[in-house]
Amino acid sequence: GESVGLHLPTLSVQEGDNSIINCAYSNSASDYFIWYKQESGKGPQFIIDIRSNMDKRQGQRVTVLLNKTVKHLSLQIAATQPGDSAVYFCAENILFNNAGNMLTFGGGTRLMVKP
Amino acid sequence: KAGVTQTPRYLIKTRGQQVTLSCSPISGHRSVSWYQQTPGQGLQFLFEYFSETQRNKGNFPGRFSGRQFSNSRSEMNVSTLELGDSALYLCASSRQGMNTEAFFGQGTRLTVV
Repeated sequence: GESVGLHLPTLSVQEGDNSIINCAYSNSASDYFIWYKQESGKGPQFIIDIRSNMDKRQGQRVTVLLNKTVKHLSLQIAATQPGDSAVYFCAENILFNNAGNMLTFGGGTRLMVKP
Repeated sequence: KAGVTQTPRYLIKTRGQQVTLSCSPISGHRSVSWYQQTPGQGLQFLFEYFSETQRNKGNFPGRFSGRQFSNSRSEMNVSTLELGDSALYLCASSRQGMNTEAFFGQGTRLTVV
């Protein structure tokens, strides 16, 4: 995804609703993707990952969908709770000389949950 | 199991000074990566260390450097600080580094005045 600088896109949802956060990634050669949640004053927290040989992966209340054709990633959060309010980042791993983690992050989406 | 630990949490430095930040990865993790987070540029990759060797490097000037010790702990150093270096510096550790889960520390908030 592209960085949007100071102006993060914001998704506002009602508590209990499902949330869908989208991300467009940049490199068709990327083969590993991670979603992170970052709360104010904290480091990014790992939520879920997916490899390019999959198109869907489910965790606890979260599902990640990968569409390699259009280079799109989405994070679905079921029954959104106030504690889910945070900035969410997608990250792609671009293999560097066939080794290592060099994560490239999207600009982030702010999720606001209304009680 | 302890998470990734970064020290110090907050730091204020003057332009022209140098600074060293420390990161202790999760036990058993051999890959340590560093990222800079600013409101304007988002999260940007600085470099990655694995088994005491720098394996990857992002697009930052040579004033940014790092190293990794035999116990996998890592330090990054920024010399001749500039106002634009003010940022949250994040460290991430992973077991092998290649397509494996990367876990972040709380970060070091550096303010250059």
